[in-house]
Amino acid sequence: GQNIDQPTEMTATEGAIVQINCTYQTSGFNGLFWYQQHAGEAPTFLSYNVLDGLEEKGRFSSFLSRSKGYSYLLLKELQMKDSASYLCAVRGSNTDKLIFGTGTRLQVFP
Amino acid sequence: DGGITQSPKYLFRKEGQNVTLSCEQNLNHDAMYWYRQDPGQGLRLIYYSQIVNDFQKGDIAEGYSVSREKKESFPLTVTSAQKNPTAFYLCASRFSEAGNTIYFGEGSWLTVV
Repeated sequence: GQNIDQPTEMTATEGAIVQINCTYQTSGFNGLFWYQQHAGEAPTFLSYNVLDGLEEKGRFSSFLSRSKGYSYLLLKELQMKDSASYLCAVRGSNTDKLIFGTGTRLQVFP
Repeated sequence: DGGITQSPKYLFRKEGQNVTLSCEQNLNHDAMYWYRQDPGQGLRLIYYSQIVNDFQKGDIAEGYSVSREKKESFPLTVTSAQKNPTAFYLCASRFSEAGNTIYFGEGSWLTVV
């Protein structure tokens, strides 16, 4: 079967660093995506990984290990506005289907 | 402005009624999708379409129907056969080349009353 696992909730302090993990088991692999979703709003694209390694984009970085079926999203210099859900999604062998995890709700405290 | 437009934003449905959610995109994207999100849950795929006049069932297609008569439009009908339709519905689209990310519309809230 196909499965994507993320922690349900995480908390962190403003200015700190937080790492959100994602493990996946899918039929084939054609890329992993991270999205941010504020409550009641649509998800917005954060990052895309298809090869092993780290992709950095400002305060956000995403890492992928295909052999381990593992990714993480790293958020640095946390701000209050980073409080949101973070969704991990994998494109499997069918390149037109994107499978989402249940998301990790991150709360940033002052 | 380019983007994906969903309407209505909020919709109330009486039991036994069919309702249609609109999704229009002017990004010239090939593929379009409908996802459902329940409170505190991830996104589940209802239907998707890779080209005009063709679409495929996703993981939870029962009780829903779609059409793709134009490249820019992909309406979703929630039929009376869908027993628990109250949810947040998200339309999305992308170019078909591998690696291209999916972009989402603003979403539509459907509530059964």
